[in-house]
Amino acid sequence: KAGVTQTPRYLIKTRGQQVTLSCSPISGHRSVSWYQQTPGQGLQFLFEYFSETQRNKGNFPGRFSGRQFSNSRSEMNVSTLELGDSALYLCASSWDRGGEQYFGPGTRLTVT
Amino acid sequence: GESVGLHLPTLSVQEGDNSIINCAYSNSASDYFIWYKQESGKGPQFIIDIRSNMDKRQGQRVTVLLNKTVKHLSLQIAATQPGDSAVYFCAAPSGGSYIPTFGRGTSLIVHP
Repeated sequence: KAGVTQTPRYLIKTRGQQVTLSCSPISGHRSVSWYQQTPGQGLQFLFEYFSETQRNKGNFPGRFSGRQFSNSRSEMNVSTLELGDSALYLCASSWDRGGEQYFGPGTRLTVT
Repeated sequence: GESVGLHLPTLSVQEGDNSIINCAYSNSASDYFIWYKQESGKGPQFIIDIRSNMDKRQGQRVTVLLNKTVKHLSLQIAATQPGDSAVYFCAAPSGGSYIPTFGRGTSLIVHP
């Protein structure tokens, strides 16, 4: 069974731009969560999607948004990028809400 | 909410030694704990979990110990191998949610 895939793996953007990251969960998994990982703040929860609806949201500004499609694939968007948004963005899928999470390799976003 | 922290940012051991990675948590109501391993360039990978009705749980070469009295858990890795070199995180759901709060991570370095 294929693991969680994230595209792109690396991304360089300029301040003020916007970016969209994609996540394909493990086949059959219905819950997708997003996390931001930085050296300073560690791993922080962004949001969780299940059945195309956002179920939980972390403490991030409204510039961070996401969505989930009917096939459980998910995208997250960051608008008006700031230097501090440079991070590894991780997607995790689970069969159900609260289930064991399987992480993808992440998208490394660098904002210059 | 939950606060989860690790005692040491880095742990260096010799191949074949036993490794012990420690973690403290703040919420005495936490009833589920997870250990993750993150290798360079990869997302976190589930290692083992433990519920608060247990003091100890064993996996393959790994053991997690939970001390609810002092709100401390540890991950023990037997006969540490170079492939065990990674960052290890403890995590616990917080605030009545199942969304895990992650500790900062301990980087385990195994010297051959």
